Amino acid sequence: GESVGLHLPTLSVQEGDNSIINCAYSNSASDYFIWYKQESGKGPQFIIDIRSNMDKRQGQRVTVLLNKTVKHLSLQIAATQPGDSAVYFCAENIGPGGSYIPTFGRGTSLIVHP
Amino acid sequence: DGGITQSPKYLFRKEGQNVTLSCEQNLNHDAMYWYRQDPGQGLRLIYYSQIVNDFQKGDIAEGYSVSREKKESFPLTVTSAQKNPTAFYLCASSRPQGRGNTEAFFGQGTRLTVV
Repeated sequence: GESVGLHLPTLSVQEGDNSIINCAYSNSASDYFIWYKQESGKGPQFIIDIRSNMDKRQGQRVTVLLNKTVKHLSLQIAATQPGDSAVYFCAENIGPGGSYIPTFGRGTSLIVHP
Repeated sequence: DGGITQSPKYLFRKEGQNVTLSCEQNLNHDAMYWYRQDPGQGLRLIYYSQIVNDFQKGDIAEGYSVSREKKESFPLTVTSAQKNPTAFYLCASSRPQGRGNTEAFFGQGTRLTVV
């Protein structure tokens, strides 16, 4: 079945820059999306979520944008810090056959240079 | 503190052996999941369970088995039929899934290596 995908496998930025990580999803029925951060050797941790009735949600230094027209999500990290270096996954809550199962994309590795 | 615990953190398996990975949660979540992660890859769903005594195959269930006899426990057995079991295994739990619902909480993972 189709699943969430990411455009860039690796993103390198300088400390202090803003980072943008993109994600394309293919299931138009998806109504809930989450961004997770996974540090090396650890399990993914929740960063921010957004429901399909919204197009933008802000957290602390992070913003998620949702464009349902083109089925695209992005995660913006302001003033990126070395501690932000990790793999970032987007996930949708619709899985194979339309069942509600957290379904993950490939991930983007964010590398922050001091 | 509430959370989800996987053990062991590292596991070594000989060819032809079955091994069982433990996953326990005290979050009172109904749903639990097992994912496999290979280097440079995303998370692929092995099995999931929405309620006690019931579980469903995910995308890559071949060579794996699970049980869900208790709400808080969802062990995964990697059988000798799994030809390439070396990977990082992640267990997660959540409240029952539905429209616009909640996040999955993850354990810290078990790294399985075949020797």
